[in-house]
Amino acid sequence: AQRVTQPEKLLSVFKGAPVELKCNYSYSGSPELFWYVQYSRQRLQLLLRHISRESIKGFTADLNKGETSFHLKKPFAQEEDSAMYYCALKAGANNLFFGTGTRLTVIP
Amino acid sequence: DGGITQSPKYLFRKEGQNVTLSCEQNLNHDAMYWYRQDPGQGLRLIYYSQIVNDFQKGDIAEGYSVSREKKESFPLTVTSAQKNPTAFYLCASSIGQGIDYGYTFGSGTRLTVV
Repeated sequence: AQRVTQPEKLLSVFKGAPVELKCNYSYSGSPELFWYVQYSRQRLQLLLRHISRESIKGFTADLNKGETSFHLKKPFAQEEDSAMYYCALKAGANNLFFGTGTRLTVIP
Repeated sequence: DGGITQSPKYLFRKEGQNVTLSCEQNLNHDAMYWYRQDPGQGLRLIYYSQIVNDFQKGDIAEGYSVSREKKESFPLTVTSAQKNPTAFYLCASSIGQGIDYGYTFGSGTRLTVV
């Protein structure tokens, strides 16, 4: 069965420090992975997709099939990065399975 | 202004009552979804629909019902059979085919049973 694990519920880093939000998945098929972000008082929104290999707001995420991971990284955290981050796995035609989320706090 | 609208934002229900949460989108998306968000549990899929007049159960469908009579609308009814309905409910839509640009989410409805 598919599963997405985000081991850290809370993560605090200082402004300017590197940040890594961990995500591991379990899926027997070919995975498609996403990171969603929810800023305070805003809707949950797509941050990036692994298939596009893009960098959004300085964040990147590489799919590592050997380690079944899709960690989200940013070299220098900013205060505006403080938010709730969800890793999601697409399994089946259009079903997204979400992890439990990590709340990132960037300390000024 | 294209988007997905959920109403109401807050909803209070007495025990034993059914309530319906509205979800409307004007994005011309084929697929629509309902998730439940509880603290510490992330988002869990209740129901989804990939085309009009068709829908499928998600992981936690018990005590819920949906309909998809129109492409734009995917209302969720929380029935009295749902044992713990107090939660935050999120509706989402996606293009449903072709390149996957991810989901577009509504702003959510917070349901409280009193």
